[in-house]
Amino acid sequence: EAAVTQSPRNKVTVTGGNVTLSCRQTNSHNYMYWYRQDTGHGLRLIHYSYGAGNLQIGDVPDGYKATRTTQEDFFLLLELASPSQTSLYFCASSDATNTEVFFGKGTRLTVV
Amino acid sequence: QQQVRQSPQSLTVWEGETAILNCSYEDSTFDYFPWYWQFPRESPALLIAIRPVSNKKEDGRFTIFFNKREKKLSLHITDSQPGDSATYFCAAFNYNVLYFGSGTKLTVEP
Repeated sequence: EAAVTQSPRNKVTVTGGNVTLSCRQTNSHNYMYWYRQDTGHGLRLIHYSYGAGNLQIGDVPDGYKATRTTQEDFFLLLELASPSQTSLYFCASSDATNTEVFFGKGTRLTVV
Repeated sequence: QQQVRQSPQSLTVWEGETAILNCSYEDSTFDYFPWYWQFPRESPALLIAIRPVSNKKEDGRFTIFFNKREKKLSLHITDSQPGDSATYFCAAFNYNVLYFGSGTKLTVEP
């Protein structure tokens, strides 16, 4: 079973604050993804990466940065958090065949 | 821009009935169509998937019907059970990126 671990699981920050969400996968998957989930929108892709040092822009990248420091680690950065970024964030990974994407347990972020 | 569309937004059926969830897509380069389900306070998980070379994929009570010409697919859940109550996401793969629809919340009443 693929393992994707996200931290923290819950985070509250103030408007304008700086937040880093972390994700680690231990299955040597090439691809890693950051999604946000909001009612009525499903899961929307923020950023993704196909290897260490690589970064690709998703559908809703505004206000987010991401870094893939190693094969295992993918970080999502909110440098000036806004209330519109209050959401449930999922990290996911897949191998090069992309037949299955494995999700972490999610991070619930609240920006007040 | 929503590349994958789902309907209805919510659906309630009685136990034993067949639930039908609909999905459509825009981009003809999508080459793999998984359905994920998500239970409350859990992560999405793969339920069943199909490739465009097939027009039907069955796995127990779950069946995907695929119409490549119309760019539509549907998930049929026969003999629905209360334990099937979840949010179902249609998704599509394109160039190693997975795009999700907005989901259908299914409730199966006993």
